[in-house]
Amino acid sequence: SQQGEEDPQALSIQEGENATMNCSYKTSINNLQWYRQNSGRGLVHLILIRSNEREKHSGRLRVTLDTSKKSSSLLITASRAADTASYFCATDLQGAQKLVFGQGTRLTINP
Amino acid sequence: DTAVSQTPKYLVTQMGNDKSIKCEQNLGHDTMYWYKQDSKKFLKIMFSYNNKELIINETVPNRFSPKSPDKAHLNLHINSLELGDSAVYFCASSQLAGGYNEQFFGPGTRLTVL
Repeated sequence: SQQGEEDPQALSIQEGENATMNCSYKTSINNLQWYRQNSGRGLVHLILIRSNEREKHSGRLRVTLDTSKKSSSLLITASRAADTASYFCATDLQGAQKLVFGQGTRLTINP
Repeated sequence: DTAVSQTPKYLVTQMGNDKSIKCEQNLGHDTMYWYKQDSKKFLKIMFSYNNKELIINETVPNRFSPKSPDKAHLNLHINSLELGDSAVYFCASSQLAGGYNEQFFGPGTRLTVL
């Protein structure tokens, strides 16, 4: 199975609500990153959390990392229609010089 | 100014043909990547070049040959195209030395093999 597995695969909420996406991984990491992909576009880096950090904020984004459970979550607060996109977690593996991406969560914000 | 650019954006071709995709980054990064994204949106790394040297080759068929003429360019040549090569190909770059490997992606090249 994949290094990064995301849950749920799809999420549909009303504008203004909070959206939470989860990511689990298997091996030791240097850091974990979240990316957004709008339909038909390339991925855009959102936020990075290092392995020695537990929580990080950036605007309406909040990321947590639990290395004991090998899991991370991305919370988007006060969602907007423009947040509609696919969200991917990516793990920067120790000694590998590469990112391994999860399958992504398709987020739909309904107006 | 576009940080990571790819050409062409769309590529439609017949099985058996040979095609190339070009990528350029103007971020001064030391590392560039090629990814393949399939119809289920699964993104898989294919190759990585650091300072023009190949550092990752993820068991990609040897019909795929990357070339990095300099640190700012990474091209992908595909021989004898097959139906299963249809996908979106993304180029990306990052600064590995002294950085956290945050990657910047190009807009993608949608390849359709008929």
